[in-house]
Amino acid sequence: DAGVTQSPTHLIKTRGQQVTLRCSPKSGHDTVSWYQQALGQGPQFIFQYYEEEERQRGNFPDRFSGHQFPNYSSELNVNALLLGDSALYLCASSSTGTSSLGEKLFFGSGTQLSVL
Amino acid sequence: SQQGEEDPQALSIQEGENATMNCSYKTSINNLQWYRQNSGRGLVHLILIRSNEREKHSGRLRVTLDTSKKSSSLLITASRAADTASYFCATPPTGSARQLTFGSGTQLTVLP
Repeated sequence: DAGVTQSPTHLIKTRGQQVTLRCSPKSGHDTVSWYQQALGQGPQFIFQYYEEEERQRGNFPDRFSGHQFPNYSSELNVNALLLGDSALYLCASSSTGTSSLGEKLFFGSGTQLSVL
Repeated sequence: SQQGEEDPQALSIQEGENATMNCSYKTSINNLQWYRQNSGRGLVHLILIRSNEREKHSGRLRVTLDTSKKSSSLLITASRAADTASYFCATPPTGSARQLTFGSGTQLTVLP
């Protein structure tokens, strides 16, 4: 049973560029959440996708957007990259019935994004 | 913003000793969760305690919750070098149950 998989593992971009990160949820899960984790900090919620729609969003600018596909996989897009976007981006999956109750999440290993 | 704050920020102990980490949070909650993260990679769920529970055990882990003080503690007994990791508490804030708000974490180092 595959867990949450993310790609790529590492990514280096320059300021102003755009980036797309990918996530496949754990088998049986239909909800995907994205988190940003700066060095030495806890993860911060970006947004959550369910039924191919953004269901909830954290305090992140519109430069951060996402998509969920019919197979429940998801993408995180960041436009006009800033140096401050350098962070570990984590994808987490859960199932519908539990997501509304704040139940446990299953995390991928993350994508380390460096913006130069 | 960070809902929970862990204390201490860093903890170093010898193998076999117990490790205690504390978490304080700000708003009312339905549950509180603890996660572990090795070397800045993915987080692993350790234990969940609901707001109507005061204590919960899982293997070498013991979690307590005091909703009147808005605080929780995680105790790891008989620590091992493999327990070296960052530990985070996380809560789904009331009204935003679909997200988790994490604290800034405690870095635990267990020396062999």
